[in-house]
Amino acid sequence: NAGVTQTPKFRILKIGQSMTLQCAQDMNHNYMYWYRQDPGMGLKLIYYSVGAGITDKGEVPNGYNVSRSTTEDFPLRLELAAPSQTSVYFCASSRVWDRSSYEQYFGPGTRLTVT
Amino acid sequence: KNEVEQSPQNLTAQEGEFITINCSYSVGISALHWLQQHPGGGIVSLFMLSSGKKKHGRLIATINIQEKHSSLHITASHPRDSAVYICAVSLVIYNQGGKLIFGQGTELSVKP
Repeated sequence: NAGVTQTPKFRILKIGQSMTLQCAQDMNHNYMYWYRQDPGMGLKLIYYSVGAGITDKGEVPNGYNVSRSTTEDFPLRLELAAPSQTSVYFCASSRVWDRSSYEQYFGPGTRLTVT
Repeated sequence: KNEVEQSPQNLTAQEGEFITINCSYSVGISALHWLQQHPGGGIVSLFMLSSGKKKHGRLIATINIQEKHSSLHITASHPRDSAVYICAVSLVIYNQGGKLIFGQGTELSVKP
């Protein structure tokens, strides 16, 4: 299994440009998540999905959009990139094996710089 | 005040030392997670626990639900243990989809 994969690994965007961060998992996990990690700060949840066709906002959703058309893929779209979106982005997925607890598997991250 | 607090934020140890990282939380949880982030950036799950104690190799994680506190111990530390250790909690509300709240991380450096 490849686990959780993310592309690209690095990207530099100009202010106002748009891009899509790709995330895929091959573990048949229902739940998928997008986080951002800023220097010295904890991971913050951007959006999450509990299954294909179902998405919901996390703590910091502004400036982002997601879709989940398949179990495997969970792309994150940045519209009109701003310097405040410079960050490292992590995608994660989890397997529901217990109604009350979930272990999450993380992708390798995408380092995005907006200038 | 953050809902998940870790201490210390930075820790330098000599190889072989016993290390403890602490995590306190203020919300109702269904589980607590310890994650490791290496300098390359990848994040891996070390432990998920809802009570008691778990051990994997030289790593031990404990949780006290009444005191809302968890500790991660590393015995016989080694330079390869150098990483950021992150505490996170799963909320008790099932329909929150297993969302995690993260601490800010503890950066550990183990010197040879």
